[in-house]
This record gives sequence, structure tokens and C-alpha cells, in this order.
Amino acid sequence: DQQVKQNSPSLSVQEGRISILNCDYTNSMFDYFLWYKKYPAEGPTFLISISSIKDKNEDGRFTVFLNKSAKHLSLHIVPSQPGDSAVYFCAARTQGGSEKLVFGKGMKLTVNP
Amino acid sequence: KAGVTQTPRYLIKTRGQQVTLSCSPISGHRSVSWYQQTPGQGLQFLFEYFSETQRNKGNFPGRFSGRQFSNSRSEMNVSTLELGDSALYLCASSTATGTQYFGPGTRLLVL
Repeated sequence: DQQVKQNSPSLSVQEGRISILNCDYTNSMFDYFLWYKKYPAEGPTFLISISSIKDKNEDGRFTVFLNKSAKHLSLHIVPSQPGDSAVYFCAARTQGGSEKLVFGKGMKLTVNP
Repeated sequence: KAGVTQTPRYLIKTRGQQVTLSCSPISGHRSVSWYQQTPGQGLQFLFEYFSETQRNKGNFPGRFSGRQFSNSRSEMNVSTLELGDSALYLCASSTATGTQYFGPGTRLLVL
């Protein structure tokens, strides 16, 4: 049972444009959501997070939106840069004291110069 | 502040052997979690330790075990290695905010 889904395996955008990465979840007990960026053979790098009590969080070029009623979150990158090319993972944590994260399968973003 | 460190970075073992991986969390972080990444299954949670106690465990066989020491450093052990255990093993540490910071991983190849 995949509780966190990233339905599009890849996305290609032009440099300077907006990249929108989507993520859906099924478990209503998730209370904290995170986005990570990952290069091959490296550990994931934390990008941005959002608590379930919020609907938006911004950090520089990165904005995460949360729609709890639709169980959907998205990551917006504006403007996109070639260095953003990587695999992006959406992750969620269940409320209750454990730090266990449930990850989506990832989406490969390619930003073309 | 130094990040999460993992040793060794690369490891080659044969079936039936056992392996121990080590993780040093970010200073001040008391929670350490382990994940396995494979091409087919993605990132899957193995277990989490907090103050030397296992707080949560993923759906992996008993061959996978771990522990945490009083200085928050953690080790995970895989016994009786199988070919399917070949993966990138990632350690992450976190504070009470819930944001996990990952190490570079240990690439394990089982032949």
C-alpha cells in the first residue's frame, strides 16, 4: 500500500521557468511533509517542509503548498535552474512521536539551459 | 556543524556473510533512523532509535537489526546477507522538529 505517491516519474522544464512537482497521500494521520532532492549515490538533501496546520511555506525559490482536503501537496521552484536537475522525493511523517518518514518513489527533474 | 557521517561508504560482501554499518548523527540530534534505497522499492524505513531505544521498526526481516549508543551514534547489522540486500543504506538524524538530515549513505553490494 503506497501511502505517498508521486505519479509522474519525470519532468523536463526550461531554465527560468517554473517547475511544479506533485505529491498525493492517502494517510490522514500524516502531520508533517518534506521535500528532498537527491543525486545518484548520495543521501537526500532536505529542501523544505510544511506542517499540516499550514497551507503554504516559502524558502527562497522553493514554495510548498498543502491541500489537506485533497491530500495533495506540491513543490514549486521558481525560477528553475540547471543545478536543480535531480530526483525529488516527497516524504510524510505520521503524528505520534516517531520520526519515521514514508517516501514517494521520486520524480526526476531535468532543467534544460 | 558537521553533518551526518556514515562509514564505510562502500562495501562488497558475499552471500551468507554479515555486515555492520555505522552512523554518527549531527551533534545534538538524538533520533537516528535508517532507510534502505533500492531501484525497485525506493526509500524504505528500516528502524528508528531515540535515546538508545528502538522507537519504530519497518517491515524488514529479523536479519536486519540496529542499536544506538549513549553518544547517539548508531549501528545497523545485517546477518546472513542475500543478493537482494544490495542497496544504498541511508542514515538520518533529527531534532524534535521532525526534519531529518541524511548522511551520504553506504553502498552495499552482495555477490
